[in-house]
Amino acid sequence: DIQMTQSPSTLSASVGDRVTITCRASQSISDWLAWYQQRPGRAPELLIYKASNSQSGVPSRFSGSGSGTEFTLTINSLQPEDFATYYCQQYNTYSRTFGQGTKVEV
Amino acid sequence: EVQLLESGGGLVQPGGSLRLSCTGSGFIFSNYALSWVRQAPGRGLEWVSAISASGGDTFYADSVQGRFSISRENSRNTVFLHMDNLGAEDAAVYYCAKVRVTFIDPDAFDVWGQGTMVTVSS
Repeated sequence: DIQMTQSPSTLSASVGDRVTITCRASQSISDWLAWYQQRPGRAPELLIYKASNSQSGVPSRFSGSGSGTEFTLTINSLQPEDFATYYCQQYNTYSRTFGQGTKVEV
Repeated sequence: EVQLLESGGGLVQPGGSLRLSCTGSGFIFSNYALSWVRQAPGRGLEWVSAISASGGDTFYADSVQGRFSISRENSRNTVFLHMDNLGAEDAAVYYCAKVRVTFIDPDAFDVWGQGTMVTVSS
């Protein structure tokens, strides 16, 4: 299976900060990568698909980039509602896998 | 509104069985592949199983292969996850998730249900 490794595991930030989360794949996945946001007690929500495409309704401060094995999620001007856990997911293979998550906290 | 609603979770003894259901609405159910994704308490997301739009193709994570079975009834807009020989490691919130694009899988999950909790304990 393809392993997905996110860094950092926890990130301390403040409102207005620019935040970057990295996701690395154990082998090339082209651009078959998604990013999700999960708030406590809630289901995950899709932010980015195919590495850099924003899902409809997602604020423009969220952006994704990368291809192959290295990817980033950037949040420009962090808002109070953005304090949550973020997961990357590869869907290059049928055995799709998630990263372990990055918690963005105050 | 596009929605997925899971049911069937609960308390089961180790070695027991359980069947989860997920009913979709607000979209053409039979055009989309669906997956089950689980999350143990305080842990990350783990993809469990997927089924194609027609139901003809099914896929499983190694951790559940041979114990879990996914199926769907498009006439009832419902997908099922039958779980056998449950262990403590299977205790989690189980989410149903829909792929973004018709007849494409794997794909990103654009709609998730609210989840149903499975507890494994004697």
